[in-house]
Formats: sequence, C-alpha cells, structure tokens
Amino acid sequence: KAGVTQTPRYLIKTRGQQVTLSCSPISGHRSVSWYQQTPGQGLQFLFEYFSETQRNKGNFPGRFSGRQFSNSRSEMNVSTLELGDSALYLCASSRPGGGATDTQYFGPGTRLTVL
Amino acid sequence: EDQVTQSPEALRLQEGESSSLNCSYTVSGLRGLFWYRQDPGKGPEFLFTLYSAGEEKEKERLKATLTKKESFLHITAPKPEDSATYLCAVQAEGQNFVFGPGTRLSVLP
Repeated sequence: KAGVTQTPRYLIKTRGQQVTLSCSPISGHRSVSWYQQTPGQGLQFLFEYFSETQRNKGNFPGRFSGRQFSNSRSEMNVSTLELGDSALYLCASSRPGGGATDTQYFGPGTRLTVL
Repeated sequence: EDQVTQSPEALRLQEGESSSLNCSYTVSGLRGLFWYRQDPGKGPEFLFTLYSAGEEKEKERLKATLTKKESFLHITAPKPEDSATYLCAVQAEGQNFVFGPGTRLSVLP
C-alpha cells in the first residue's frame, strides 16, 4: 500500500510570493491534516480536512488556507510569504472512526525556504 | 487547554544502555496517545497507539506504556540506528492531535 505522498519536496520562494503544496493520502483515508514544523515551535497543527470540509483549524493567520478534493487529495496555500514561514510542512492522513483508524500517517514533508 | 511535555529534551546513550523517555499530558477525555519516531528532514514514522491506562505495546527494542497522566517509551539495549527524535501526541474526543516537543535520542557505538 502506497504511503502519503507530498509534492514538491523542496521549494524556495521569496517574501511576498504565494505557494501551493500538495498531499495525496493513503488509499481509503478520508482525513488529511497539515502541520508546520520548525526547530523552535515543534509540530504545530494547521488544519484538518475530512470529506472536503475543514473540520479543525489551528491558530495560524488567514494567509494559510487549504482545501480537499473529492478524491481526498489536499492542497494547502500560503499567500504573502514571510521569512518566518520557512519550515517543514507535513501532511498526515487517517481513516477516522475510532480506535486504530484515528492513527495519522505522515508524508515525507515539503521543505519550504523563504528568502 | 491540552498540553504535552516530554523529557528529557535530549538523551545520549551508549549502545546497549537501556533507558526510558517520558511523555506527560493533560487532556480531557483522552482518545489516544501516539508515539512517533522522526529522522532528520523526514516525516514522523508511526510507532504505537495506546488507548487506556495500563496498556502496553512492544516492537523490537521499544516498549510503550500508559498511565492516567503519562506515557513511557522504554528502549532496551539500543543500537545506533535507534538514534532519532521521538515524539508523542495526544488526541482528545473531537480534537486534533497535540504533539509534544520531542526527545532527541543519540545512541553511540
């Protein structure tokens, strides 16, 4: 079974630009969560999508947005990039329904560098 | 507010020297506690899920245990390839995962 895939793996952008990251979940998983990981803040929850609807949202500014498609693939967008947005962006998928199905499986991440 | 702390922040062991990592949490209505291993520049790799106090799970040299306030990840006779950051996360009912800051483990040959 293929794991979670994320594209691109690396991105370099300049301040003020916008960026779109993509995540394909494990087949059969309907929930996709996005996290930002930085050395100082650790893993911070951005948002979760389930069946094309945002179900939970973390404490991030409106510049961070996402969406989920009918095939469960998800994208996140960051507009007006700032230097502090440089981070590893991780996507995780799960098949929520209680018990072991809640386990989140992570992709390899997208390393975003903002210059 | 749900909180997760991990100790120690960093741990250096000699190969074969067993030890434990701690994850303490405060959450209302624990739905699950999760352990992950993360290598530098990679996504976290799932290790264990624990659901209720008293539960234990084992995998190779790792054993995870859970009480009402904390979880331990015991590493028996570690090898250099066990070097990684170990993360724990908790999930409350209807809530997203909350991750701890992690423990950086180095196992020296």
